[in-house]
Amino acid sequence: GAVVSQHPSRVICKSGTSVKIECRSLDFQATTMFWYRQFPKKSLMLMATSNEGSKATYEQGVEKDKFLINHASLTLSTLTVTSAHPEDSSFYICSAARGSGNTIYFGEGSWLTVV
Amino acid sequence: AQTVTQSQPEMSVQEAETVTLSCTYDTSESDYYLFWYKQPPSRQMILVIRQEAYKQQNATENRFSVNFQKAAKSFSLKISDSQLGDAAMYFCAYRSAFRGGNEKLTFGTGTRLTIIP
Repeated sequence: GAVVSQHPSRVICKSGTSVKIECRSLDFQATTMFWYRQFPKKSLMLMATSNEGSKATYEQGVEKDKFLINHASLTLSTLTVTSAHPEDSSFYICSAARGSGNTIYFGEGSWLTVV
Repeated sequence: AQTVTQSQPEMSVQEAETVTLSCTYDTSESDYYLFWYKQPPSRQMILVIRQEAYKQQNATENRFSVNFQKAAKSFSLKISDSQLGDAAMYFCAYRSAFRGGNEKLTFGTGTRLTIIP
């Protein structure tokens, strides 16, 4: 079964509203989680590294005020897309390292559609 | 910064045949991990195989094996006895071992594999 769960799997929101995506490690503690965005037929683009108890580290070009990341516990990281616009529509996927870090698990991903 | 290159955007193979997907990477580090991930239409990222850079022996997982050439910075994936279920996007990925469990994955651009019945 899945060891990293992502919710919701699909969400549609109106332009201008905010939407939150959750990423949970189900049976292990993850001090670090990663958020990726994937455009159609493209590779995964790292958006930010989520650190438990501290601020996320954003990749260059990613708007930190638009993509809010909170890692409030060792098993939960959230990505909030604020004031969403149609161009934010995409597939978002999270991952977490288990144990020594050799094994990385991915969530099932979330499809966001902004209308 | 590390980069991962997959020079084959698309590959196809006859069912039951063998196919090799190419991957090269660039790094100045000596200790790192390399991965192949499979992404079927469901978009779930599935780990196919991983290789620790300090290990000379090539990793093998059933029908999947790698050819790891550290000096050449090459990490190809061989799929033997291809099956219809192998059809997917395959991503090569690099991860530094410097900070243990807190290092990100750097992905290649992917290779779309089609299996011909």
